[in-house]
Amino acid sequence: AQTVTQSQPEMSVQEAETVTLSCTYDTSENNYYLFWYKQPPSRQMILVIRQEAYKQQNATENRFSVNFQKAAKSFSLKISDSQLGDTAMYFCAFIDPGNTPLVFGKGTRLSVIA
Amino acid sequence: DSGVTQTPKHLITATGQRVTLRCSPRSGDLSVYWYQQSLDQGLQFLIQYYNGEERAKGNILERFSAQQFPDLHSELNLSSLELGDSALYFCASSVDRLYGYTFGSGTRLTVV
Repeated sequence: AQTVTQSQPEMSVQEAETVTLSCTYDTSENNYYLFWYKQPPSRQMILVIRQEAYKQQNATENRFSVNFQKAAKSFSLKISDSQLGDTAMYFCAFIDPGNTPLVFGKGTRLSVIA
Repeated sequence: DSGVTQTPKHLITATGQRVTLRCSPRSGDLSVYWYQQSLDQGLQFLIQYYNGEERAKGNILERFSAQQFPDLHSELNLSSLELGDSALYFCASSVDRLYGYTFGSGTRLTVV
């Protein structure tokens, strides 16, 4: 079974600085998809970014980018120019083309400090 | 507004009781997923429906059941509730699962 591990339960960053959240996963599949979701205090789950495993180019969405290392099974999220509104739980998630659901890590709580 | 509607937003009930959580998926989405998020935990997959049929099942307790109706809305039934069932229950939907799920705002269940 696929597993997703987020080794940093909590992190903090100063406003306008850059922070990187780590995620590793375990799978025997060669084709799969990775996601980062954000859960702010409102508790809504919001899709931040998506990466296809067969694409070598790292995905980017505005201030959010990933560092996808397929051989190392690593998928980190970089947030540039951190803003107070980035304060949230961040979940890494994995899915493969088989009939399996989205699998989540336990999350990293990020606090952006003014 | 994500387009996925969950009701109620909050629910407080006593041990031993039964509750029903409701979810309306985003327009056009045939798949509905239910997840449980306990305090400081990640999201645990419960069950998936696709166009009215059960498609996948996770570690869902026998006391829990779900269904998806012809209009594609889904209900999650929780019975013989225990204190440990207190959690945030999310519904999500997708048109293509490989592009990720769209989540509702969740139902906060408190069992006292």
